[in-house]
Amino acid sequence: NAGVTQTPKFQVLKTGQSMTLQCAQDMNHEYMSWYRQDPGMGLRLIHYSVGAGITDQGEVPNGYNVSRSTTEDFPLRLLSAAPSQTSVYFCASKNTGAGNTIYFGEGSWLTVV
Amino acid sequence: RKEVEQDPGPFNVPEGATVAFNCTYSNSASQSFFWYRQDCRKEPKLLMSVYSSGNEDGRFTAQLNRASQYISLLIRDSKLSDSATYLCVVNGLNTGGFKTIFGAGTRLFVKA
Repeated sequence: NAGVTQTPKFQVLKTGQSMTLQCAQDMNHEYMSWYRQDPGMGLRLIHYSVGAGITDQGEVPNGYNVSRSTTEDFPLRLLSAAPSQTSVYFCASKNTGAGNTIYFGEGSWLTVV
Repeated sequence: RKEVEQDPGPFNVPEGATVAFNCTYSNSASQSFFWYRQDCRKEPKLLMSVYSSGNEDGRFTAQLNRASQYISLLIRDSKLSDSATYLCVVNGLNTGGFKTIFGAGTRLFVKA
């Protein structure tokens, strides 16, 4: 009953470091996405993927890379961390039909100092 | 104009009150609609889908008005446990392709 699994849950980075947030889903969903949520703010789409080998930019893609080599995994890479990237990151997945609901991981709390 | 806009809130209501949230969307080609609930420091979770005919789930009623491009959520007999942020979600095709768009959320505080 795993659903969407994100790791790590908490991470502190120094400015300029790189890291990868992992996301895996076991529901065979085609669509996966990454959001960031800043305090008191709504979700902002970073990148998304509609299937293995296909990725596209969302609303706030700068500073992040993604890849989708398998249906199950959708890692998010921070290339050179900046304090402005301090946020909570949510991975989500769904089937691509418009009527399908989206499921979220529990979130990854990232602090860049 | 944002693609999905919600009442900014916060809403502060006493237990037992009825409270209504509205959400408007700009893309007339939007195909499906949902309300999500997000508790503090938690991930959003599906509260209910919104159907054209309107639908009810216990104390919660959702309505969709395609002509005016808005959806609503009514909570009757509010409980302390209803305190959360409620997110309006719209799915559909857009100029940039398929999109799931979230509203910024409306914060609800239910007080004893």
